[in-house]
Amino acid sequence: DVKVTQSSRYLVKRTGEKVFLECVQDMDHENMFWYRQDPGLGLRLIYFSYDVKMKEKGDIPEGYSVSREKKERFSLILESASTNQTSMYLCASTTRTSGSSQFFGPGTRLTVL
Amino acid sequence: AQSVTQLGSHVSVSEGALVLLRCNYSSSVPPYLFWYVQYPNQGLQLLLKYTSAATLVKGINGFEAEFKKSETSFHLTKPSAHMSDAAEYFCAVYTGTASKLTFGTGTRLQVTL
Repeated sequence: DVKVTQSSRYLVKRTGEKVFLECVQDMDHENMFWYRQDPGLGLRLIYFSYDVKMKEKGDIPEGYSVSREKKERFSLILESASTNQTSMYLCASTTRTSGSSQFFGPGTRLTVL
Repeated sequence: AQSVTQLGSHVSVSEGALVLLRCNYSSSVPPYLFWYVQYPNQGLQLLLKYTSAATLVKGINGFEAEFKKSETSFHLTKPSAHMSDAAEYFCAVYTGTASKLTFGTGTRLQVTL
């Protein structure tokens, strides 16, 4: 079974702090994704990566950056956390095959005070 | 651009009743369509996937979905609801690039006694 793990299930940070969310997958998937999930808005894509050191902006990249130094690991960085970044963050991975299913981690619920 | 619309943000059914969750899609390419389920405080789990092989797709936990091109629909059904089906359900469509998916806003299913 594919396993996608995220470093924290719950995280509380203060406004202005730098926040790192880590995601690791164990299936040698090329593509990895970061989403945020908010009530009534579904999942919105923040960034994705299709290879090591490669990244592309998603639909809502403002206020976020990412890092992919190893194939299995994809990090989401909030340079200066703000209260409007309080949300559920979901990581996913998949192969390069067109239309392939994405596999999700358990999510990190981030609260910024 | 590809998109999905989920009709009804909340659906309530009695245990044993038919479950019908609606999804309509828009796609400029032959679509790959997905249904995911999210149980409380968990990530998303794939229920089923349409990839043009058969219009009626069977998934896990007794769910199935029928692809209807003429109606641009991919509704999710289950003949008899169980309390354990209470969750949020997301419909998604492949965007055509880089294994990216576009998600609907979700439908929360409540199952009552």
